[in-house]
Amino acid sequence: DAGVIQSPRHEVTEMGQEVTLRCKPISGHNSLFWYRQTMMRGLELLIYFNNNVPIDDSGMPEDRFSAKMPNASFSTLKIQPSEPRDSAVYFCASSEGARQPQHFGDGTRLSIL
Amino acid sequence: GENVEQHPSTLSVQEGDSAVIKCTYSDSASNYFPWYKQELGKRPQLIIDIRSNVGEKKDQRIAVTLNKTAKHFSLHITETQPEDSAVYFCAAFYNAGNMLTFGGGTRLMVKP
Repeated sequence: DAGVIQSPRHEVTEMGQEVTLRCKPISGHNSLFWYRQTMMRGLELLIYFNNNVPIDDSGMPEDRFSAKMPNASFSTLKIQPSEPRDSAVYFCASSEGARQPQHFGDGTRLSIL
Repeated sequence: GENVEQHPSTLSVQEGDSAVIKCTYSDSASNYFPWYKQELGKRPQLIIDIRSNVGEKKDQRIAVTLNKTAKHFSLHITETQPEDSAVYFCAAFYNAGNMLTFGGGTRLMVKP
């Protein structure tokens, strides 16, 4: 298995632009998680899906952030409009269930200028 | 919600020595506790996990212990090597929220 696949690996854009991060979970995994990692705040859970349905989005910072999972093999995290404070590494992870090991993708390093 | 505290935040040891990282959690119903290792610029990778029906689990030089009464669990690395240098995260499964809560991380440095 190729593992969790995220794209792009790096994104540099100017503030105000829309940013879309993509994730393909491991085939057969029914739980998908989006995390944000910064030096100041560590690893934060933004949102997670179970069977393509958003279960908890309490970690989403504000309305500028949205996430979708249209099918079992694809999810997006969108930031519109982006701000410099959104600069971070965004990880996607998937698991066979909520209480099962989570497998992380390689992350997207996002820089908002 | 669940609160997971991890100590120390940084740990420096000499190659060959042991390293111990400790975490406490608040939700007494938590029953799954994974540990992740994150090397610089890379993704977190699961190295070992433990469920609440056991008190200890070992995998070569790595072991995890769980004290459910005290609500704390620890990672033990023996015979440390320079390649063990990384940030280690503990996590606890938060039943009410049906999700993992991560500790703040420990930066382990193994000096050759």
